[in-house]
Amino acid sequence: AQTVTQSQPEMSVQEAETVTLSCTYDTSESDYYLFWYKQPPSRQMILVIRQEAYKQQNATENRFSVNFQKAAKSFSLKISDSQLGDAAMYFCAYRSAVWGQKLVFGQGTRLTINP
Amino acid sequence: GAVVSQHPSRVICKSGTSVKIECRSLDFQATTMFWYRQFPKQSLMLMATSNEGSKATYEQGVEKDKFLINHASLTLSTLTVTSAHPEDSSFYICSASPRADYGYTFGSGTRLTVV
Repeated sequence: AQTVTQSQPEMSVQEAETVTLSCTYDTSESDYYLFWYKQPPSRQMILVIRQEAYKQQNATENRFSVNFQKAAKSFSLKISDSQLGDAAMYFCAYRSAVWGQKLVFGQGTRLTINP
Repeated sequence: GAVVSQHPSRVICKSGTSVKIECRSLDFQATTMFWYRQFPKQSLMLMATSNEGSKATYEQGVEKDKFLINHASLTLSTLTVTSAHPEDSSFYICSASPRADYGYTFGSGTRLTVV
């Protein structure tokens, strides 16, 4: 079974600075997807960024980028120029490439932005 | 695109009664939907996979008779909490995806309080 581990329960960063959230996963599959979701106080789950395992290029979405190391099974999220609105719980998630498979979530990292 | 609507957003019910939560895919067809439960400050816990036209697949430890799932159409899945008790109070979230290479979209969640 696949597992996802986020070893940082809480992180904090100064506004406008850069922060990196860690995520490791375990799988025997070669084709899969990795995601970072944000859950603000409203509790709405918002997709931040998505990475396909067969793509070597790291995904980027504006201020958000990932460092995907397939061999090391590592998938970290870098947030640049942190903003107050980035404060939220961040969940790393894994999904098999097989259609209809569930998302496997990590434990989450609570990110605080200090003004 | 890929909007998932969930209702109600909040519900308070008396112990012993049943509560139905609806999850709709508004702009795509969803043969599979997922139901999660989330306790405060914790990650999402998958309860069951809802399959259109067939029986739901429940995760280990989830009571099938307590949490009834119906997926009668390609755009609607319902979760009914039967004979609710205070320990069923929680945040319930549904999700679905329009296609294999797309991230999962989540409903806004339902906060259930059983008194």
